[in-house]
Amino acid sequence: KAGVTQTPRYLIKTRGQQVTLSCSPISGHRSVSWYQQTPGQGLQFLFEYFSETQRNKGNFPGRFSGRQFSNSRSEMNVSTLELGDSALYLCASSLATGTGVFYGYTFGSGTRLTVV
Amino acid sequence: SQQGEEDPQALSIQEGENATMNCSYKTSINNLQWYRQNSGRGLVHLILIRSNEREKHSGRLRVTLDTSKKSSSLLITASRAADTASYFCATDESSGAGSYQLTFGKGTKLSVIP
Repeated sequence: KAGVTQTPRYLIKTRGQQVTLSCSPISGHRSVSWYQQTPGQGLQFLFEYFSETQRNKGNFPGRFSGRQFSNSRSEMNVSTLELGDSALYLCASSLATGTGVFYGYTFGSGTRLTVV
Repeated sequence: SQQGEEDPQALSIQEGENATMNCSYKTSINNLQWYRQNSGRGLVHLILIRSNEREKHSGRLRVTLDTSKKSSSLLITASRAADTASYFCATDESSGAGSYQLTFGKGTKLSVIP
């Protein structure tokens, strides 16, 4: 089966611009999470969506937002980009059922965002 | 904040040798997972061990969990050059709404020399 697909793979944006990243989860996976990876802070949780609802949010400013569509595809948006937003953004999907049993994540290859 | 902390930060071994990485964490967990990341790519899920399990095997991988010491170890036996990657442990924190948030350590960079 197809894995988690993230688009685009690479992106260069200017400070102050906004950006939208896309993630298509594995078919049947209803939970989609986003993580930011930087050399300094490592991997940090951004947010998690399940059935179009944000269930959990990490400690990021309001410039970071996301949404999930009825087909489970998800987008994240970063507005007013700063140099420090340069990172690898990883999307992960999970066979979460809402019952509390966790089966692990399948990650996409990520979108590398460079802010200049 | 970093929950899991891997040790060592970097490890270099010869092909065929075993590699052991350790992870310590701070709070109670439901599960602990290990992931591999090849340079600049996505994370690959290796193994998940639940808090009521002590040891788990998957192929050449062996994971142990000691909840009393809040630590875990990942052993890769008979290493291969293709095992060269960064390895991360991740602990989950349930929000209580069925949502899981993973907290990752900084990772161990493993180099396997042919």
